[in-house]
Amino acid sequence: DGGITQSPKYLFRKEGQNVTLSCEQNLNHDAMYWYRQDPGQGLRLIYYSQIVNDFQKGDIAEGYSVSREKKESFPLTVTSAQKNPTAFYLCASSGIAGNAPGELFFGEGSRLTVL
Amino acid sequence: RKEVEQDPGPFNVPEGATVAFNCTYSNSASQSFFWYRQDCRKEPKLLMSVYSSGNEDGRFTAQLNRASQYISLLIRDSKLSDSATYLCVVTFYNQGGKLIFGQGTELSVKP
Repeated sequence: DGGITQSPKYLFRKEGQNVTLSCEQNLNHDAMYWYRQDPGQGLRLIYYSQIVNDFQKGDIAEGYSVSREKKESFPLTVTSAQKNPTAFYLCASSGIAGNAPGELFFGEGSRLTVL
Repeated sequence: RKEVEQDPGPFNVPEGATVAFNCTYSNSASQSFFWYRQDCRKEPKLLMSVYSSGNEDGRFTAQLNRASQYISLLIRDSKLSDSATYLCVVTFYNQGGKLIFGQGTELSVKP
């Protein structure tokens, strides 16, 4: 089945450790996104990529890094520089019609808790 | 001012009620509009796209008002299963493919 897969689903880490969240899609989508969601809040964009080997910062990129070496994969690293990393992280992908992205398909999310 | 803002919730309504949510956007270079639904502790899923002429899908009606820069979602005959958070999403011509989410409006439908 086509879809987008995030792993791990739950992750606990000590303060000061870097963490990498995996996101893989087999939908042949050009665009991929990372969002962060805190309790009772909407989604905030961390990074996005519209093409392989290129990505742009979103609204809250500080303390995060990404890579887009393959079309299918868009891993997110939460670095020790991120002040408040405990959150629900959502990866999404979309096709691009003209200059506008189409429907977003989300993974099931990764819940990161920093102890 | 946030680029995309939604009615603050939560909305608590009885089964069978009609409920409407609004979402305003501040950038006139808007391009595409969507409503997503998010169940508790789950990922968002597309509910419907919003077209310029307005569109309907069963009990759900979406409207776009470009002059006043808002979109709306109307839910008729609310069901218990409609309880969720509803997120509006806007893309802008001048932001190269970014989808901007509103903060979400929580709906709770009671028996």
